[in-house]
Amino acid sequence: RKEVEQDPGPFNVPEGATVAFNCTYSNSASQSFFWYRQDCRKEPKLLMSVYSSGNEDGRFTAQLNRASQYISLLIRDSKLSDSATYLCVVIPMEYGNKLVFGAGTILRVKS
Amino acid sequence: GAGVSQSPSNKVTEKGKDVELRCDPISGHTALYWYRQSLGQGLEFLIYFQGNSAPDKSGLPSDRFSAERTGGSVSTLTIQRTQQEDSAVYLCASSLASGSGQRAFFGQGTRLTVV
Repeated sequence: RKEVEQDPGPFNVPEGATVAFNCTYSNSASQSFFWYRQDCRKEPKLLMSVYSSGNEDGRFTAQLNRASQYISLLIRDSKLSDSATYLCVVIPMEYGNKLVFGAGTILRVKS
Repeated sequence: GAGVSQSPSNKVTEKGKDVELRCDPISGHTALYWYRQSLGQGLEFLIYFQGNSAPDKSGLPSDRFSAERTGGSVSTLTIQRTQQEDSAVYLCASSLASGSGQRAFFGQGTRLTVV
């Protein structure tokens, strides 16, 4: 089983739609979680951290479910500019450990 | 500069040659990571440096690959006797070391083409 798994998509949605992605992780001791976005032929950029209580940043909401070992990203009122690959990232231990990336979920927002 | 800087941005090399890729992390960041990404693929972990600890080299694909980090700052990834399958974008990232603050920031990458 992969350490971090994501549905590769693509998710094709119209502008204004709400879309959600899940990501599962295998290491129950994982402590830190993030969502990154990557545009075509660009480097990954941090979108948001994921906190235990869930957190929101504008149209984006991230949640963590430790019992089921998954994190989610919800995007409301999708924009064309949201089209990208969304990468789930897990740090297995609290201190000093590598970032483990999922393979990414492709989102295409169409007008 | 304020961000992670990588050089060169593009490198074309002949099969069998050695190449060196450089990464300047964000000042004060003690953790440094190298990943590579082949076209249309996900990020493949290569190596991770954390302060003065021994690096995690578990992702290096062969002994042709090595990396060092001098003075806890700049890092160099060296690929010896390059092969065509080494062609990829090599990405460097840096972060602070502590727990949930370990948000990592990436450089723009070095696109390596082995011909």
